[in-house]
Amino acid sequence: GQNIDQPTEMTATEGAIVQINCTYQTSGFNGLFWYQQHAGEAPTFLSYNVLDGLEEKGRFSSFLSRSKGYSYLLLKELQMKDSASYLCAVKDSNYQLIWGAGTKLIIKP
Amino acid sequence: GAVVSQHPSWVICKSGTSVKIECRSLDFQATTMFWYRQFPKQSLMLMATSNEGSKATYEQGVEKDKFLINHASLTLSTLTVTSAHPEDSSFYICSVTQGMNTEAFFGQGTRLTVV
Repeated sequence: GQNIDQPTEMTATEGAIVQINCTYQTSGFNGLFWYQQHAGEAPTFLSYNVLDGLEEKGRFSSFLSRSKGYSYLLLKELQMKDSASYLCAVKDSNYQLIWGAGTKLIIKP
Repeated sequence: GAVVSQHPSWVICKSGTSVKIECRSLDFQATTMFWYRQFPKQSLMLMATSNEGSKATYEQGVEKDKFLINHASLTLSTLTVTSAHPEDSSFYICSVTQGMNTEAFFGQGTRLTVV
């Protein structure tokens, strides 16, 4: 079966750095996505990786290793507004998005 | 600006009634739209893939006669929850993609509460 694993919850301090990991086993791979979702709202797109390596976008970076079935989302200079759930999703061989359960990130002052 | 518009953002209905949720693609024509359901503290669960001009493809365990999907135009898909029950109370979200390797754009979501 297809499976995406990410931690259920993480806590970090304002101004610090946090890394959210995601491992996946899917039937085929056509890209990995990270989304941010605030409670009661729809997810918003953060990043897309299809090749190995690091993609940097401002305070957020995303890394992919296809051989290891592994990705991480790195958030720097954490702000209180970064408190949200972060969803990892992979497009399989049918280009269908397979979603992880999400990681709830709690930022403390 | 918004790429996908979903309406209503929240609705409360009585058990046994039907509720229609609309999803509009604003910036491009979408031959395919996706309907998700999300229960509290859980991940997005794909319910069905809505195909313009043809029948929707439902995921295993989703009742097609209960969750009616109509994709009559390239910019509009509707999800109708028929004979709603309290266990249907959830957050329903639609999404569209412009291409196979692009990100999914989401509607604002609809919070359905069945009393």
